[in-house]
Amino acid sequence: ILNVEQSPQSLHVQEGDSTNFTCSFPSSNFYALHWYRWETAKSPEALFVMTLNGDEKKKGRISATLNTKEGYSYLYIKGSQPEDSATYLCAFTYNQGGKLIFGQGTELSVKP
Amino acid sequence: DTAVSQTPKYLVTQMGNDKSIKCEQNLGHDTMYWYKQDSKKFLKIMFSYNNKELIINETVPNRFSPKSPDKAHLNLHINSLELGDSAVYFCASSQDRGGREHNEQFFGPGTRLTVL
Repeated sequence: ILNVEQSPQSLHVQEGDSTNFTCSFPSSNFYALHWYRWETAKSPEALFVMTLNGDEKKKGRISATLNTKEGYSYLYIKGSQPEDSATYLCAFTYNQGGKLIFGQGTELSVKP
Repeated sequence: DTAVSQTPKYLVTQMGNDKSIKCEQNLGHDTMYWYKQDSKKFLKIMFSYNNKELIINETVPNRFSPKSPDKAHLNLHINSLELGDSAVYFCASSQDRGGREHNEQFFGPGTRLTVL
């Protein structure tokens, strides 16, 4: 059984705080690791697709790292803003053809 | 312009009925998917089609049947609806060409199905 675990399940921070979440996935047969941002009442939106061990990707204040040998990825948000409030999903795929196995998400709430 | 669209957005129906949810993407993608968001809010893959050909078929009851008339459309038909089918269903698409970094998935807005 292939499981993707995310921690923490939820996080409450103040505006301006920096934060990070963890995604753990099977380290064998790795193909790609996806991060999605999912706002309430909207659909998941892709942030990053990471494929190589040691990858680091950045989009504005959000960045992610990847360790395929030990099976984890970190997502960092620098200087959180209320508009960053959302559920952050990671998803693992082990082959081409796109079957994504999703984690349960980390729900981030940023208070002004 | 909506990239991945689903209709209807809300669907309320009686147990035992047959219903369809439609999905269309205008991104020129080769692959389309159906996901079910379960009660714990997990997104679970149901089906995937690549160029109208079924490539992923998870353990889903036979009452669920996907149909892909062309690569821009993937519809989901559900027979004999049951209470447990109540969920949010998401359609998605991906390019799946040009390397693994290009197969991010684009999701539709979801269809909330309520079976009474």
